[in-house]
Amino acid sequence: SQQGEEDPQALSIQEGENATMNCSYKTSINNLQWYRQNSGRGLVHLILIRSNEREKHSGRLRVTLDTSKKSSSLLITASRAADTASYFCATGLSGNTPLVFGKGTRLSVIA
Amino acid sequence: DAGVTQSPTHLIKTRGQQVTLRCSPKSGHDTVSWYQQALGQGPQFIFQYYEEEERQRGNFPDRFSGHQFPNYSSELNVNALLLGDSALYLCASSLQPSGNTIYFGEGSWLTVV
Repeated sequence: SQQGEEDPQALSIQEGENATMNCSYKTSINNLQWYRQNSGRGLVHLILIRSNEREKHSGRLRVTLDTSKKSSSLLITASRAADTASYFCATGLSGNTPLVFGKGTRLSVIA
Repeated sequence: DAGVTQSPTHLIKTRGQQVTLRCSPKSGHDTVSWYQQALGQGPQFIFQYYEEEERQRGNFPDRFSGHQFPNYSSELNVNALLLGDSALYLCASSLQPSGNTIYFGEGSWLTVV
């Protein structure tokens, strides 16, 4: 079974709007990583946040982590058509365990 | 600085055949993992190689095997292919299996007919 579950499964917004995707997980984690995947392509790493961190920023991306609620969110501000992709959260249960992925959120940004 | 590279990008095989996929990790990385991603699903962990040994394995049958070479590159072999093996196979690399950032390649699309 998959550890992380993204919500919503699909999201459609207008260019310039903000997009928020959520990820919930079931067990304690060491870190959580967000990835982007364009259709049929590989995964592009966006941000890694460790269990002792609460928020990280990278350009237009903001990730939060709430370990008490076992949840994370990815905010993309001022979205662009090029942000159209699937977004996955992946949890690392301990320092050397493999990533466990959810099914992803499909984001469509309409120009 | 080369990222994770995989080959081939696409291939078609017949049921019962065998396939070998190849991966070169990102420069400086020594740990390689393989994932299978079916259409519409998230990637599923197959196994991880570090110091030329399989360190961890996901819930995949023995038909799936791998190898890591002294230069850290890796191969994924799948024997007796089934239609259900059709998927995108992703290679990922990191510096040691220690919770560092994991980078993925573009993947190899396998279609079994």
